[in-house]
Amino acid sequence: EAGVTQSPTHLIKTRGQQATLRCSPISGHTSVYWYQQALGLGLQFLLWYDEGEERNRGNFPPRFSGRQFPNYSSELNVNALELEDSALYLCANSRLALSKYEQYFGPGTRLTVT
Amino acid sequence: ELKVEQNPLFLSMQEGKNYTIYCDYSTTSDRLYWYRQDPGKSLESLFVLLSNGAVKQEGRLMASLDTKARLSTLHITAAVHDLSATYFCAVGWRQTTSGTYKYIFGTGTRLKVLA
Repeated sequence: EAGVTQSPTHLIKTRGQQATLRCSPISGHTSVYWYQQALGLGLQFLLWYDEGEERNRGNFPPRFSGRQFPNYSSELNVNALELEDSALYLCANSRLALSKYEQYFGPGTRLTVT
Repeated sequence: ELKVEQNPLFLSMQEGKNYTIYCDYSTTSDRLYWYRQDPGKSLESLFVLLSNGAVKQEGRLMASLDTKARLSTLHITAAVHDLSATYFCAVGWRQTTSGTYKYIFGTGTRLKVLA
């Protein structure tokens, strides 16, 4: 069974531009979580999508947005990029119908804003 | 709001030694997860602890959960260099008002095992 995949692996943008990050889930896993991990820091929760709807978001400005498609894949969009948006962005899947609620993480997209 | 605290934040230890990483959380939860992260890499699931008193072991790592004390520990036995990584605990929590399920991560413990 294929794991969680993310693309691109690396992304370099300049201030003010927009970035789009993609996540393809494990088959049958309907929940997608997005996290930001700035260098040397822990994981900060960004967004949670389940069954195509945004269920929760973390303390991030509205320029961080996303969506989930009918096949449960997801996009994270970051508008008006700022230098401090440089980070590793991790996507995680879970299947809340299972009692463990275990999360499976993708390899991440490293976003660099110059 | 649920808070999850890990300590220590940094740990430098000699090979062959034992040590414990602690994960405290502030509200009721019955699901606790431990992850390992190598530099520049994603998170790898180590343990899922689902009930009070749960203990799981894999190689030189052993995790336990005390839901009454709201505490989980990750014990390292006879450390080896390959265990050098950052270790995160995460607590699963359902908000009773909204029904939303959240994962709250600890700050991470950066472990360095010295040869």
